[in-house]
Amino acid sequence: DAKTTQPNSMESNEEEPVHLPCNHSTISGTDYIHWYRQLPSQGPEYVIHGLTSNVNNRMASLAIAEDRKSSTLILHRATLRDAAVYYCILMETSYDKVIFGPGTSLSVIP
Amino acid sequence: DAGVIQSPRHEVTEMGQEVTLRCKPISGHNSLFWYRQTMMRGLELLIYFNNNVPIDDSGMPEDRFSAKMPNASFSTLKIQPSEPRDSAVYFCASSLSSTGELFFGEGSRLTVL
Repeated sequence: DAKTTQPNSMESNEEEPVHLPCNHSTISGTDYIHWYRQLPSQGPEYVIHGLTSNVNNRMASLAIAEDRKSSTLILHRATLRDAAVYYCILMETSYDKVIFGPGTSLSVIP
Repeated sequence: DAGVIQSPRHEVTEMGQEVTLRCKPISGHNSLFWYRQTMMRGLELLIYFNNNVPIDDSGMPEDRFSAKMPNASFSTLKIQPSEPRDSAVYFCASSLSSTGELFFGEGSRLTVL
């Protein structure tokens, strides 16, 4: 299974942008990069995913390195509600074993 | 649309008792995943199904754990007999293979005394 590495924790000030990094040096050509987040006492929720090109949606942006060995989840203006654990995972299809690492715990400071 | 529905939300039981956790995936989804989450071990994949067929159960901790998916709209995870170390939050998730996005239920918090 392809693996990802993320910092254990990060801090951000409210209303500032947040860049959450993820390394996936063993990514295969058919792996999609997915990001999920888990708010306290809730199940994980989908944030965004991409293959090669940068992606934007209402929640976040995903910047993918040209060699695809790393990616960055960008929250444009952090709010207190964005405090969560953010998981970066690789998924070829949902036939795959979808493995979650420890993720990055994001704290947002008012 | 209703999301993934899990029951019970909370269960407290005594060691040695049988526990059955239930999951109703989103209608039309053809993949279903069972995860367990603890502070020490994080989110662990226990088993996943595709088109009601178990694809990989290598994450099931031991023979006390079993999972079934008798049809596309229902799955169970059973622990018999339960032990205190099984205390955790158990999540069910479903997805449509072509998109890959996982939708999680709210989880079942199990406490084994």
